[in-house]
Amino acid sequence: QVQLQESGPGLVKPSQTLSLTCTVSGGSISSGGYYWSWIRQHPGKGLEWIGYIYYSGSTYYNPSLKSRVTISVDTSKNQFSLKLSSVTAADTAVYYCARVGAAADLWGRGTLVTVSS
Amino acid sequence: EIVMTQSPATLSVSPGERATLSCRASQSVSSNLAWYQQKPGQAPRLLIYGASTRATGIPARFSGSGSGTEFTLTISSLQSEDFAVYYCQQYNNWPPELTFGGGTKVEIK
Repeated sequence: QVQLQESGPGLVKPSQTLSLTCTVSGGSISSGGYYWSWIRQHPGKGLEWIGYIYYSGSTYYNPSLKSRVTISVDTSKNQFSLKLSSVTAADTAVYYCARVGAAADLWGRGTLVTVSS
Repeated sequence: EIVMTQSPATLSVSPGERATLSCRASQSVSSNLAWYQQKPGQAPRLLIYGASTRATGIPARFSGSGSGTEFTLTISSLQSEDFAVYYCQQYNNWPPELTFGGGTKVEIK
């Protein structure tokens, strides 16, 4: 079955760029029909959608984060990635990758990213 | 921007009882509404989409209803594994801009 797995540094310094990758296994990103998404959850808080990408490269971002977010896809590696620039402590969160048809029907386990010097 | 409001923030229920969770959208989202369950330390799990369609493998005790701006998730007879936080999420328009509610924590009474 299709599985998603996030990877990347767990600690990022303020003002730097947070970079995460989601590897999709058991299925192809290029099969179409789904948007590949990043969602985050601040400690003890609710869920915040960051943005998503289609396998063709089309992207759509949360307007509140749009100026700092870049999501890209590498279909040859069956991966998609998140870059969030100019991070602050407010970006400390668990970051999830997810598959979105209409709802998010498949999620990675999440990875905690802490922004601290 | 569509704002999703969930109530109550916390619901105390005894095992075997019925739980009713509410979600309100600031404007109509038709039936483009999903419900998720999240347990501590785990990723959310999709329960309901299209306001009332159970996702694969979800027990029949979970049901969703509503359309437009008012939605309800009902758990007919709470099991021990159902104590968790529940989120609603709208996905109106296409491609959808996903907006989550603030969550309802269902705790043991």
